[in-house]
Amino acid sequence: EDQVTQSPEALRLQEGESSSLNCSYTVSGLRGLFWYRQDPGKGPEFLFTLYSAGEEKEKERLKATLTKKESFLHITAPKPEDSATYLCAVQARGGATNKLIFGTGTLLAVQP
Amino acid sequence: EAGVAQSPRYKIIEKRQSVAFWCNPISGHATLYWYQQILGQGPKLLIQFQNNGVVDDSQLPKDRFSAERLKGVDSTLKIQPAKLEDSAVYLCASSPRARGFTDTQYFGPGTRLTVL
Repeated sequence: EDQVTQSPEALRLQEGESSSLNCSYTVSGLRGLFWYRQDPGKGPEFLFTLYSAGEEKEKERLKATLTKKESFLHITAPKPEDSATYLCAVQARGGATNKLIFGTGTLLAVQP
Repeated sequence: EAGVAQSPRYKIIEKRQSVAFWCNPISGHATLYWYQQILGQGPKLLIQFQNNGVVDDSQLPKDRFSAERLKGVDSTLKIQPAKLEDSAVYLCASSPRARGFTDTQYFGPGTRLTVL
């Protein structure tokens, strides 16, 4: 069964304190791994798609990496506005569905 | 470019009542999705449409949930009758390409349903 596990469940950082969020996955065949950001009361906002092991993508203070079993979202020198829930999802290869299988997310709080 | 629109944003109903949610996807997007997000969990797919046809409804509780996408654009999701466990945020998403492709799903703001 395809599955996504995120850790930690919650993370509190001081402004400027870099850290990483983990997303472990098992999938029959990976079509893509997605990172989303979700603010309270809003829908998920797309951040990155990774397709194959070794791939990396960056956007401002965020950098996503992918291996065959997990993905990391590295946050460099975070600011309070980076506070949100970060969701990881996988899309499996094969079949007609494009469904995303989500983890439960990591709630990040960045204190000034 | 306008994003995915959903209404209402909030709904409170009694159990056994019915409720309907509306979604307008990004213009030109072929694929539309409805996800259910229970508090503290990640979204879970309920149904996927390609144009106005159903691609995947394997996780839709068909005894109480129904959905349609008329003319391949707007979509409605209905629950009848509602149960307490249906309390959740219902998210609509759309993506530009057809099934079988890896492309980005863009989400709307969601409808928060509370069943009392």
